[in-house]
Amino acid sequence: QKEVEQDPGPLSVPEGAIVSLNCTYSNSAFQYFMWYRQYSRKGPELLMYTYSSGNKEDGRFTAQVDKSSKYISLFIRDSQPSDSATYLCAMTPGTASKLTFGTGTRLQVTL
Amino acid sequence: KAGVTQTPRYLIKTRGQQVTLSCSPISGHRSVSWYQQTPGQGLQFLFEYFSETQRNKGNFPGRFSGRQFSNSRSEMNVSTLELGDSALYLCASSLANYYEQYFGPGTRLTVT
Repeated sequence: QKEVEQDPGPLSVPEGAIVSLNCTYSNSAFQYFMWYRQYSRKGPELLMYTYSSGNKEDGRFTAQVDKSSKYISLFIRDSQPSDSATYLCAMTPGTASKLTFGTGTRLQVTL
Repeated sequence: KAGVTQTPRYLIKTRGQQVTLSCSPISGHRSVSWYQQTPGQGLQFLFEYFSETQRNKGNFPGRFSGRQFSNSRSEMNVSTLELGDSALYLCASSLANYYEQYFGPGTRLTVT
């Protein structure tokens, strides 16, 4: 079993929908949680990171961490076709420890 | 501020050959990490260099090696290439920590 599990999708939603992307993990030592967006043939782009449990909002994006359930989420409000990409979660125990990535969820936002 | 750059962007090599990939981090960033991305395994950590020292290493064979120069630029070398080494190799830089890494566009390596 992988340390970080992520549904590969694809997830198809209509423009304007609220999107929920999720990851579960098994290592209770993880403290920092990141979300990356990767367009086809590009490198991953850091969207946001959170420390420990709680919520963090940045524009249309909200990251949520529930350490008790070992479950993290990324919500995208008012989704746009330009949000169509693969979303990767990543996590690490500390500032000087390597990242462990989920395999990514492919999102398609249709007109 | 310029982003992370990687050269070359595409590479085709034959089994048994070796290859060197280059990464220039964002100005001021001292940490450079390397990752291998494949459809089956996703993003896997290779190693990280900070101030010219390898600070962390993933679970890859010794054929994969790297180094970092005093200007923080980094190179990754793969010797005795195998078909399974075909992948997108990504480099990411950060000031010092792992949770705020910025990725380059990657080098797509095809081994035939």
